[in-house]
Amino acid sequence: EVQLVESGGGLVQPGGSLRLPCSASGFTFSDYAMHWVRQAPGKGLEYVSGISSNGGDTYYADSVKGRFTISRDNSKKTLYLQMSSLRAEDTAVYYCVKSRTRTIFGVTRGDYWGQGTLVTVSS
Amino acid sequence: DIQMTQSPSTLSASVGDRVTITCRAGQSISRWLAWYQQKPGRAPKLLIYDASSLESGVPSRFSGSGSGTEFTLTISSLQPDDFATYYCQQYNSYWTFGQGTKVEIK
Repeated sequence: EVQLVESGGGLVQPGGSLRLPCSASGFTFSDYAMHWVRQAPGKGLEYVSGISSNGGDTYYADSVKGRFTISRDNSKKTLYLQMSSLRAEDTAVYYCVKSRTRTIFGVTRGDYWGQGTLVTVSS
Repeated sequence: DIQMTQSPSTLSASVGDRVTITCRAGQSISRWLAWYQQKPGRAPKLLIYDASSLESGVPSRFSGSGSGTEFTLTISSLQPDDFATYYCQQYNSYWTFGQGTKVEIK
């Protein structure tokens, strides 16, 4: 059974940093691209970032480019999102999502989602 | 970025009603569209992929159609468990989501 478990969320001050891990099980982690999607309280879904199966390619939404870094450790079956220079508008539930392909380019959809972890940016 | 526009934003319906939600893409995305259902406090659940393919385990009252820039999600006979928010998502080029359609009890 595929499982994705996010952690690391919490309260952080504006300008602060936080790292979100997503632990994967039930599939060959190194064979699939992975993504982060977020949802602000009471709002819709927003794509944040994606990384290819070997970590060689990454993509960021304009809203987080230069502030967030996606990475992965295939030996630990873990996806990460390093968030810095956090703003109030980054407050959201962050979901990690498994892709059906190795690449983040071209046609590549997701299939499994984690339960999400809440990040609150506030003083 | 490819913009996705859903309509309506809110839909009031009764159990047994036929419900249709529309999603328009800012440019052609062929058939690379998915529909998700989300309930409060839960992760989105995949219903439809490739515009019209039903995800395993999803009831057959859900169906999707369309290609290019216009897509629809239809629930043939609304059930109590279907009151939720629905999102479309394009995956032709990275990912973009529609703003969501809340289906509420009339």
